[in-house]
Amino acid sequence: AQSVTQLGSHVSVSEGALVLLRCNYSSSVPPYLFWYVQYPNQGLQLLLKYTTGATLVKGINGFEAEFKKSETSFHLTKPSAHMSDAAEYFCAVRLVSGNTPLVFGKGTRLSVIA
Amino acid sequence: DGGITQSPKYLFRKEGQNVTLSCEQNLNHDAMYWYRQDPGQGLRLIYYSQIVNDFQKGDIAEGYSVSREKKESFPLTVTSAQKNPTAFYLCASSIGQANTGELFFGEGSRLTVL
Repeated sequence: AQSVTQLGSHVSVSEGALVLLRCNYSSSVPPYLFWYVQYPNQGLQLLLKYTTGATLVKGINGFEAEFKKSETSFHLTKPSAHMSDAAEYFCAVRLVSGNTPLVFGKGTRLSVIA
Repeated sequence: DGGITQSPKYLFRKEGQNVTLSCEQNLNHDAMYWYRQDPGQGLRLIYYSQIVNDFQKGDIAEGYSVSREKKESFPLTVTSAQKNPTAFYLCASSIGQANTGELFFGEGSRLTVL
C-alpha cells in the first residue's frame, strides 16, 4: 500500500529565508507525486507534480521539488519565502499502474514571519 | 470558466438530520471524489466514482452516501449515522483512467452540526 509522510506539521520561516517542506513516500513501484497548497477555507491548488522525466520539477510561485528515488523523497523548496506563501501544503502520491485515487499526507502548515 | 462548484459553502444542521452537499463540474472529467478534512488529519477519502452509475467506498465511507447519475454531478449525503460529521468537505475531479490522477478541487463546504 502506498503512503505519504510529511515531516513537521508546522514549519515557521522568516521572510526571505529558504523554505523546505519534507515529504517521504512508501510505494513498491514508482509513483506519481504531487504538491498542493491550500489557503484558509479554500480548496487545494496544484503547485507541481512529478510523473516521468526530469527529477527536478518546477512549479508555480517559485516552488520546486526533487524526486529522489533512492531516498523515497519529494521535498518542496523555495529559495526565498514571501508572506503570501503562508498556507498549508500537502504532498500526495499515486501509483503509476492502476487507477487508484491520490493518497495525501497530513499536511504542513507554513508560517512566514516578517 | 471550467471548474468545480460546491454548494453550500457553509451549512449548519441539527443532530439526527441528513444533509446533502452538492458538487458539479464542467471539466468533462470522468472521475469525481469526495474528501473530508479535519485539522491535523489531512484529507481522507470518503467515496469516489470513475464512471457514471458506479462508485467505490474510500477509507471513511461509513455514515455517507453518494450517487453518480450524471457525469457532471456527484452529490454527497451526510447521514445521521455519521457520528462526527462536523468537518470541511472537498470535492475533486480528475480526467480519469490512463492519466496521472491529478485532482482539481472545488472550494469546499464547511458543515457544522449543532
